Amino acid sequence: EAGVAQSPRYKIIEKRQSVAFWCNPISGHATLYWYQQILGQGPKLLIQFQNNGVVDDSQLPKDRFSAERLKGVDSTLKIQPAKLEDSAVYLCASSLSAGGNYGYTFGSGTRLTVV
Amino acid sequence: GESVGLHLPTLSVQEGDNSIINCAYSNSASDYFIWYKQESGKGPQFIIDIRSNMDKRQGQRVTVLLNKTVKHLSLQIAATQPGDSAVYFCAAASGGYNKLIFGAGTRLAVHP
Repeated sequence: EAGVAQSPRYKIIEKRQSVAFWCNPISGHATLYWYQQILGQGPKLLIQFQNNGVVDDSQLPKDRFSAERLKGVDSTLKIQPAKLEDSAVYLCASSLSAGGNYGYTFGSGTRLTVV
Repeated sequence: GESVGLHLPTLSVQEGDNSIINCAYSNSASDYFIWYKQESGKGPQFIIDIRSNMDKRQGQRVTVLLNKTVKHLSLQIAATQPGDSAVYFCAAASGGYNKLIFGAGTRLAVHP
């Protein structure tokens, strides 16, 4: 079974620039998550999709972050404009369903450095 | 707010010894708990999970213990190996929408 694919693996941008990350979940996984992991901390949920609808985006800084999941498969996460404190690893995860069967699988993440 | 925390940021053990990593959670409504292992440059990897209707679950060389009374869980690794060196996270969820709250992680260092 192929895992969760993310790209790019690394990105370095200057503050105030924009950046986008891409995620391809495991085939058949209805639920997709974006997490932010700051160095030395545990992952923090940014947004959760069920198919192509948003279930939870309560911790997404909506003034600069946006995410979409067209057709309920791939997803992109965008930051515009980036700030220094956005430097982190952005992890995508997917699971079969949102309730009862968790089965989280994480991708390897995109490491973002904002300078 | 809801939090999940680990008691020690780092743990050093000798190869072959047993390791115990502890975790505390604050939300009494949490009903599902997962332990993850994260190696450098990789995403978290599932180790073992436990639901709130259980107090112990065993896997291959790993055991998770859950004490709902004091909102504490632990991960025990038997005969720790160098390949077990990584950061270990506990995560808790409640309700039906799989929102996981992660702790800060414990770095396990295994010495030969």
